[in-house]
Amino acid sequence: AQSVTQLDSQVPVFEEAPVELRCNYSSSVSVYLFWYVQYPNQGLQLLLKYLSGSTLVKGINGFEAEFNKSQTSFHLRKPSVHISDTAVYFCAVSPSGGYQKVTFGTGTKLQVIP
Amino acid sequence: SQTIHQWPATLVQPVGSPLSLECTVEGTSNPNLYWYRQAAGRGLQLLFYSVGIGQISSEVPQNLSASRPQDRQFILSSKKLLLSDSGFYLCAWEGQGKTGEQFFGPGTRLTVL
Repeated sequence: AQSVTQLDSQVPVFEEAPVELRCNYSSSVSVYLFWYVQYPNQGLQLLLKYLSGSTLVKGINGFEAEFNKSQTSFHLRKPSVHISDTAVYFCAVSPSGGYQKVTFGTGTKLQVIP
Repeated sequence: SQTIHQWPATLVQPVGSPLSLECTVEGTSNPNLYWYRQAAGRGLQLLFYSVGIGQISSEVPQNLSASRPQDRQFILSSKKLLLSDSGFYLCAWEGQGKTGEQFFGPGTRLTVL
């Protein structure tokens, strides 16, 4: 079984400042990793994913994440946030190789302050 | 391209009434399908998943049920709603590569009064 920990339930940040949203996971097997974003009253939208290859993954809206196997982390970063980035961000993990259920973190609410 | 639909978008129901939420996927075949619930300000709770027609796995025992009468149709039901059933219900399908990447519908906001 795997687990995902998003320690920060809320992260306030000023507009145009950088941000990092933390995600740590636990798994006994290799994993695929995802970040999703949820705007108010909407479904989740995939930001980026790590399946294999380069550990630095670039996604939509200027976000990127780095897979660190030794630290079992997959932190999400953006160098300069906008008001429109205000949303809830979910980290998710899935064991690689065949069908397995995805485990989602509890989410981090990013609040961008004008 | 693939799309996923959910309806209704919002629903207000009295306690004890029945429920039927529908999810349909277009542009793919034999997807894995999922129902999640999201309580206010909370994370995602997996309720049911399905790997094929008539195949339903339940994750959480409760008064909800799910059915998959067609390949791309997934229905969430209840015979008698409870107050605790209020929440935001999300349907999702899994991509062909079976990597765990999921695509979510727009959701249904259910309020039980």
